[in-house]
Amino acid sequence: GENVEQHPSTLSVQEGDSAVIKCTYSDSASNYFPWYKQELGKGPQLIIDIRSNVGEKKDQRIAVTLNKTAKHFSLHITETQPEDSAVYFCAASMGYGGSQGNLIFGKGTKLSVKP
Amino acid sequence: DAGVTQSPTHLIKTRGQQVTLRCSPKSGHDTVSWYQQALGQGPQFIFQYYEEEERQRGNFPDRFSGHQFPNYSSELNVNALLLGDSALYLCASSPPLWRGGHEQYFGPGTRLTVT
Repeated sequence: GENVEQHPSTLSVQEGDSAVIKCTYSDSASNYFPWYKQELGKGPQLIIDIRSNVGEKKDQRIAVTLNKTAKHFSLHITETQPEDSAVYFCAASMGYGGSQGNLIFGKGTKLSVKP
Repeated sequence: DAGVTQSPTHLIKTRGQQVTLRCSPKSGHDTVSWYQQALGQGPQFIFQYYEEEERQRGNFPDRFSGHQFPNYSSELNVNALLLGDSALYLCASSPPLWRGGHEQYFGPGTRLTVT
C-alpha cells in the first residue's frame, strides 16, 4: 500500500524566513496531495492541496510543488509569522471509481517560528 | 456555515467497555471518513461512509464499526475497548464528487482515554 515519508520532523525558523517541508510517496497511482496544519488541541486544517495534473500551486504565502517522476511534493511557506507555528502534515490519496480516496498521512513536521 | 462537528469533546472509558462517537458533516457534504490519531502521529484511516454504506476500510479490527444516517451524519462505535484505543478520533467530510470533492475537512476530534 501507499507510504508517505515526511521530513524534517522539527523545523525552527526566524520570523520572516522561509520554511520548506518535503514529502515522498510510494504509490505512483496517488493523484491528490493535501497539506494540513494542526494546532494544539484542534483538528487538522486543510491549507492547500494539489492534484497530479498540476506541478505547482500557490495561495498567498503558501505554495506546494509536485514532482510526479520523483514521487515527491513540498510545502513552501514564505515570510513566516509566529502564528504559522504548528504541526504540518502532508498526505496522499488515490481517488478511484468515483470515490474519494482515503488519506495516507506523513508523521508530521513541528514548525516553530521565533519572533 | 458550520464546519464539521463532533461529540463528545472528551471521553474516559474503562477497558472492555463500548463507546459511540458522533459526527455531523459540513453542510452540502455527503461523504464521511473516520481517522484515529495517536499522540505525536499522523491520522490513520479507519473507514469511509457514503450513501449510508461503508465504502472503504483501513487496517482496523472488526471492533471498530460505523454507521451513516440519511442526513449524512455518522457514528463510530468501538467495542471491547483496549488501552491502545486511547487516541484522538477525527471525522472528516467531503463534498460530492460532482463538485470536485477530493477535499476532506476535519472536525475538532474526540479525545478518548481508556483506563
